[in-house]
Amino acid sequence: QKEVEQNSGPLSVPEGAIASLNCTYSDRGSQSFFWYRQYSGKSPELIMFIYSNGDKEDGRFTAQLNKASQYVSLLIRDSQPSDSATYLCAVNGGSGGGADGLTFGKGTHLIIQP
Amino acid sequence: DTEVTQTPKHLVMGMTNKKSLKCEQHMGHRAMYWYKQKAKKPPELMFVYSYEKLSINESVPSRFSPECPNSSLLNLHLHALQPEDSALYLCASSQGTAGSGNTIYFGEGSWLTVV
Repeated sequence: QKEVEQNSGPLSVPEGAIASLNCTYSDRGSQSFFWYRQYSGKSPELIMFIYSNGDKEDGRFTAQLNKASQYVSLLIRDSQPSDSATYLCAVNGGSGGGADGLTFGKGTHLIIQP
Repeated sequence: DTEVTQTPKHLVMGMTNKKSLKCEQHMGHRAMYWYKQKAKKPPELMFVYSYEKLSINESVPSRFSPECPNSSLLNLHLHALQPEDSALYLCASSQGTAGSGNTIYFGEGSWLTVV
């Protein structure tokens, strides 16, 4: 049984600061890690994915993966009020083949204060 | 804009009705998914279709019946639902069938209310 853990927040960050979101997962066989952003009343929007240990940067977003510690994080630099949303950590890829969908954490509610 | 299209966006149905949710993607993806999301909860996987064959059914009640007519289309047939089935139903797709390395893209969802 895969489990994905996130602090539900709310996490309040001043505008322009770095927001740091964290996620741990239980299945050591997990291979792919995703961060989705979800605004209230909308569907999840993919913002980052990472497969390899280390950092991956895309614009203001950096995903960090540490498979030994079973830990994945998302950093948002120069936070903007429009970044206020729920951020969902998701994991897929077990030990077998076949499409197996995603297991989501409960999400972290991020508030960027102007 | 998402390339996974879901219809209808909103649906209200009675407990004795039969209705269907529809999903379409034209990205050439070979895996399609149905998720259910209740308010303030994460999406929960319901079904996975891989190459038009049902590969995962997460013990979903039989009042939900998925169908994949072809590689671009995915339906969810609804019958005799309960008020607790009211939720956002999300369709998603991904390119390959391997468990890893697939980026899963969501449609905008269908809001279902059962009265």
